[in-house]
Amino acid sequence: NAGVMQNPRHLVRRRGQEARLRCSPMKGHSHVYWYRQLPEEGLKFMVYLQKENIIDESGMPKERFSAEFPKEGPSILRIQQVVRGDSAAYFCASSRQGAFDNEQFFGPGTRLTVL
Amino acid sequence: KNEVEQSPQNLTAQEGEFITINCSYSVGISALHWLQQHPGGGIVSLFMLSSGKKKHGRLIATINIQEKHSSLHITASHPRDSAVYICAVNRSGSGSRLTFGEGTQLTVNP
Repeated sequence: NAGVMQNPRHLVRRRGQEARLRCSPMKGHSHVYWYRQLPEEGLKFMVYLQKENIIDESGMPKERFSAEFPKEGPSILRIQQVVRGDSAAYFCASSRQGAFDNEQFFGPGTRLTVL
Repeated sequence: KNEVEQSPQNLTAQEGEFITINCSYSVGISALHWLQQHPGGGIVSLFMLSSGKKKHGRLIATINIQEKHSSLHITASHPRDSAVYICAVNRSGSGSRLTFGEGTQLTVNP
């Protein structure tokens, strides 16, 4: 039973390029969360999705960032026109249900470096 | 001021020592989580609790809802326990999104 998968594990982009981060939840999980960990800072919530729906995107920057979780395939976090300040570790977590008392399982993270 | 505060920020211990990491929060919550982030960066969920106490191996987590405080204890600490320990809460009314503390860096020396 594979855990939460994220790829790539490391991603290097130049300023202005696009970054696409993928997250495959655990089998049987239909709820996905994206978190960002800036260097020397704590984790911060970005967005919460169910299949084909964005439930809570209150932590997403208003510009350049978008997320989706299609009916088939992984969840994608997309960052357009990356800037140096986007360099961070991006973690995905999944849960079976979206209730507050459901444990979230984390992926290994994608470390984005913007040159 | 952060809604979730951890102390200490850094903790160094000798192998075998009993360790306590504290977490205080200033908002209403529906659940509290303790997470472990390994030196390589991966995150593992250790506990999720909304009342009382939970134990798993050498790890014990307690929560006092009235005092808005939780503790993570490690008995008979070992160098492999060296990691960042993160307290996170589900804020009441915010569903399942997590709000995190800054983490406690634990180093256990042999």
